[in-house]
Formats: sequence, structure tokens, C-alpha cells
Amino acid sequence: GQQVMQIPQYQHVQEGEDFTTYCNSSTTLSNIQWYKQRPGGHPVFLIQLVKSGEVKKQKRLTFQFGEAKKNSSLHITATQTTDVGTYFCAGPLTGGGNKLTFGTGTQLKVEL
Amino acid sequence: DAGVTQSPTHLIKTRGQQVTLRCSPKSGHDTVSWYQQALGQGPQFIFQYYEEEERQRGNFPDRFSGHQFPNYSSELNVNALLLGDSALYLCASSRGTVERGYTFGSGTRLTVV
Repeated sequence: GQQVMQIPQYQHVQEGEDFTTYCNSSTTLSNIQWYKQRPGGHPVFLIQLVKSGEVKKQKRLTFQFGEAKKNSSLHITATQTTDVGTYFCAGPLTGGGNKLTFGTGTQLKVEL
Repeated sequence: DAGVTQSPTHLIKTRGQQVTLRCSPKSGHDTVSWYQQALGQGPQFIFQYYEEEERQRGNFPDRFSGHQFPNYSSELNVNALLLGDSALYLCASSRGTVERGYTFGSGTRLTVV
């Protein structure tokens, strides 16, 4: 089963509102990656965080990696309809070898 | 254009049949990973190929097998199909280790009836 959990599972927001998804791993991660999957599409790589406590920004998106390297968050400021999709965190779990374990995902819907 | 090419895009098979899915990685990538994604769930790791060998395997039965060719392309084979094998099968390529992030193909939607 999944060892990387995300909350919330679903989020409905009005356009212009902020959105945050949280990712928690059962073990430490050497790095955390975030992917976006549009409805009917495939996951697309957004960003990778490597250092403990690291924060990275991509326009309206802010990504954080926890101090213990077991949790992460993605925050979107002033959502737009183009942000619709499912956001997955993923990482190589300690002892998990080279494979990337994906989180359960947060589905974001944005209404006008 | 995802850079990773998968074929076919859709497939309908009957229980008990066998299926082969194909993947051509992004140019410059040498590692291919296969994932199964059921509706509404996150991708589940099936296995990974590097240098024509299975480097790592997830919790999938032996009915799932694969191959990587010298040109880095890969195949996923599933024998004795079950209804529960219905899912989106994603191929992801990367260069070297997983540290660099994956490039996913558009997937093959497999329906078992």
C-alpha cells in the first residue's frame, strides 16, 4: 500500500482563493518531487526539493520540504482555472531503492 | 509532446488474455519505469529497467513482466489478465537515477472485460 499520504484528498475552491496540499511520508526521503496530472492526462514533473527545510517558488506555486525530510507542502496563491488537476508528491523512500513512490494525490477543482 | 511515446493508447482485452504495451523513452534517457494507475489513485510502481535489466520491482505478481531493448525502449507484458488489471499504464523515463525527475508518457488505457 501507499506509504506517502496526502491531504486533503479533494479540494474545491473559488477562483482567486489559495490552495494547499500536504504530503507526509512514513520514512525519510532523499528528495521530494511534485507532479501535476490534468484530468485525462499524465503526470507532469513540476519541481524537486532536496535540502531539509528547502523552499522553492514557481510563480504562484510555493513548495516546501520539511526539516525532517518526511513531509512537504505545495501552496498555490490565487488559484486559476488552469490549476485544475491532481497534484502528487513523490519520492524515493529510505530503503526503497531507486523507485519513486507516489502519494495518494490531492484533486483540485477551481470554480469561477 | 511528452517526449515519451507509448502504444497503444487504448486497449480492450478479455479475461485470461495476454497483452503487451510498448514505450519509447525520451531522447537521452536510459531508465524506464512502469506504473499502474487505477482510477482516482496515485501511480503504483510495477518495475524499473536499466541497462536491459530489471533493476527494481514493486508488489506485482509474476504475471507482470517486462523487457528493455538496447535502444532503451521497453515492453510491459501482462499474462492471464484479470478484471482488476483494468487501469492506466504509465511509462516514465529518466536519465540515470530517480533524482532527476521522471518524464511520463500519455499512458495506455487497458480495459479488461
